[in-house]
Amino acid sequence: AQSVTQPDIHITVSEGASLELRCNYSYGATPYLFWYVQSPGQGLQLLLKYFSGDTLVQGIKGFEAEFKRSQSSFTLRKPSVHWSDAAEYFCAVGLFSYSGAGSYQLTFGKGTKLSVIP
Amino acid sequence: DAGVTQSPTHLIKTRGQQVTLRCSPKSGHDTVSWYQQALGQGPQFIFQYYEEEERQRGNFPDRFSGHQFPNYSSELNVNALLLGDSALYLCASSLRPRDLETQYFGPGTRLLVL
Repeated sequence: AQSVTQPDIHITVSEGASLELRCNYSYGATPYLFWYVQSPGQGLQLLLKYFSGDTLVQGIKGFEAEFKRSQSSFTLRKPSVHWSDAAEYFCAVGLFSYSGAGSYQLTFGKGTKLSVIP
Repeated sequence: DAGVTQSPTHLIKTRGQQVTLRCSPKSGHDTVSWYQQALGQGPQFIFQYYEEEERQRGNFPDRFSGHQFPNYSSELNVNALLLGDSALYLCASSLRPRDLETQYFGPGTRLLVL
């Protein structure tokens, strides 16, 4: 069964500092990979996604992520964090089921909470 | 462009009761998925609906059931509520076949079972 690990439960950075959030997955092939952000009491907003091709993908709000097949990792980065980036970040992998009309589900990590010091 | 909407935003029930949560997908989307997010956890897949049929189900008991209507909106029903059903319930929509992989989430319904 596929699994997603986010090793850091909570990260604190100063405003203006760089950010790196780690994600590792366990899956038999290269899955579809996603980073979502969740502000307190809110739903999930898609930051970026990786399907194939260039291993460095750009997302919204100045975020980017790097896929490394050899390490089964998908690392989220931002060069300069803003106070509004404080939120919880979830890494997810997508799995297709090809039976019948087909279906698709996301498996999420447990999240990394980001705190930003002014 | 209307995003995914869910109702109600909050709900309080007691053990043993039944609850119905509602979801309207993003405009043009035809596939709806439901997720349960317990406090401090990532979302967990409950099931996915397409063409008014349940297409895939996660590891949830039969107390969890759903429905999709011809206009693609969906309901999640939970019977015989347990304390452990307290969670944020998220609806996500996507579009077959072009972009099934990308799911757009609603704000969620927070259910508290007392």
